[in-house]
Amino acid sequence: GQNIDQPTEMTATEGAIVQINCTYQTSGFNGLFWYQQHAGEAPTFLSYNVLDGLEEKGRFSSFLSRSKGYSYLLLKELQMKDSASYLCAVTDSNYQLIWGAGTKLIIKP
Amino acid sequence: DAMVIQNPRYQVTQFGKPVTLSCSQTLNHNVMYWYQQKSSQAPKLLFHYYDKDFNNEADTPDNFQSRRPNTSFCFLDIRSPGLGDAAMYLCATSRDQGSGTDTQYFGPGTRLTVL
Repeated sequence: GQNIDQPTEMTATEGAIVQINCTYQTSGFNGLFWYQQHAGEAPTFLSYNVLDGLEEKGRFSSFLSRSKGYSYLLLKELQMKDSASYLCAVTDSNYQLIWGAGTKLIIKP
Repeated sequence: DAMVIQNPRYQVTQFGKPVTLSCSQTLNHNVMYWYQQKSSQAPKLLFHYYDKDFNNEADTPDNFQSRRPNTSFCFLDIRSPGLGDAAMYLCATSRDQGSGTDTQYFGPGTRLTVL
C-alpha cells in the first residue's frame, strides 16, 4: 500500500529551528509537496521538491532524498504564527496526491 | 485576486437531510477536487474533475455526489448525511493534472455539522 509517515506532534521554542520529517512509500514518485494548515483553515502551499537536495525559500527550506524516500521541512527563526499543522504529500506514478496526516507544530514563547 | 471560494463556511444540517456545498474558482484551472478532512487526519480525496471528465475515488460512498456545470463551479451533494459525515470539506483546483508540478490551491473549506 501507499504510506506517508510524519510525527504527529512537535513542540519548539519561538526563535529556534525545527525540522519536520516525512518518509514515504508510494507506487512511483512525481514530486513531494509541503503544505501548511492552520487550525480550521485550508492547506496552503509551502514547497515542492522533485529532485534530490535542498530548496530554500526564506525561513522555510525543504529537503528531498528519493533513494531514501525521505524529506524534511526546516523552519528557522520560529514565530508564534508558525503554529500549525504541516502536511507532506507525494504525487505517485498515476499523478495522484497521497497525503500524510500532518505534523502539529506547537510554538512556545 | 484569483482565488478559490467556498460557500458556506459553516453548514449545519440534520441527520438525513440533503445538503449541497459549493465551490467556485477564478483561477481558470482545469482540475477541481473535493476532499473530506476530519480532525488530525489527512485530507481524503472524494472526487476530481479534469475539465468535465468526472473521476470518482473507489472508496467514496454513494451518498456523495458531485456536479461541475462549468469550468468555474463545482458542487458537492450529500444525499443523506450521517453523523460520520461531519467534517471539513475542502475544494481545491490545479492548472493541470499531467505533471506532479501542478500545485493544488485550496478554498477556505466548509465545516459541516450534522445534528
